[in-house]
Amino acid sequence: RKEVEQDPGPFNVPEGATVAFNCTYSNSASQSFFWYRQDCRKEPKLLMSVYSSGNEDGRFTAQLNRASQYISLLIRDSKLSDSATYLCVVNGRDSSYKLIFGSGTRLLVRP
Amino acid sequence: DADVTQTPRNRITKTGKRIMLECSQTKGHDRMYWYRQDPGLGLRLIYYSFDVKDINKGEISDGYSVSRQAQAKFSLSLESAIPNQTALYFCATSHDTPRDNEQFFGPGTRLTVL
Repeated sequence: RKEVEQDPGPFNVPEGATVAFNCTYSNSASQSFFWYRQDCRKEPKLLMSVYSSGNEDGRFTAQLNRASQYISLLIRDSKLSDSATYLCVVNGRDSSYKLIFGSGTRLLVRP
Repeated sequence: DADVTQTPRNRITKTGKRIMLECSQTKGHDRMYWYRQDPGLGLRLIYYSFDVKDINKGEISDGYSVSRQAQAKFSLSLESAIPNQTALYFCATSHDTPRDNEQFFGPGTRLTVL
């Protein structure tokens, strides 16, 4: 079983749609959670950290469910520029500074 | 703007050749990392370094070695390249504060081993 699992997609949605991505992780001791965004053939960049209380940044909302070891990312009012791969990331089993990356969920926003 | 740079950006080589990928950063971070990315597998950690005197193996270090020449420089070597080392390689850096795990990535090196 992978330590971080995501639906690879692609999710193909029209502009303006709301789309949600889910992620599960296997290490119940993980303390740090993130969503990174990766454009095609580019480097990953931090989109947002995920806090226990949930957090929102503009059109993006992240939620954490520790009991179910589940992380979600909600994107409202999708833009063409949101097309990318979204990586779910948690800290590693033996070090809080090592990150474990999911393989990513691809989003395509069409006009 | 502070930056993480990688050279070369693209490289095609033959089986058995020695290859070095270089990473430099101007962020002043102590922590540096090397990852490889393969389709469907996500990023996997090869080596990481928390300072110049500290080098650690990641989950897939076999066939690779690293050198931390200075705080700002961390190079990855493939002593004898093989085709299954064809991948996209990323260098990353991070702060050393416990609550700030954000990693900053270089633009990547696309390596093809024939």
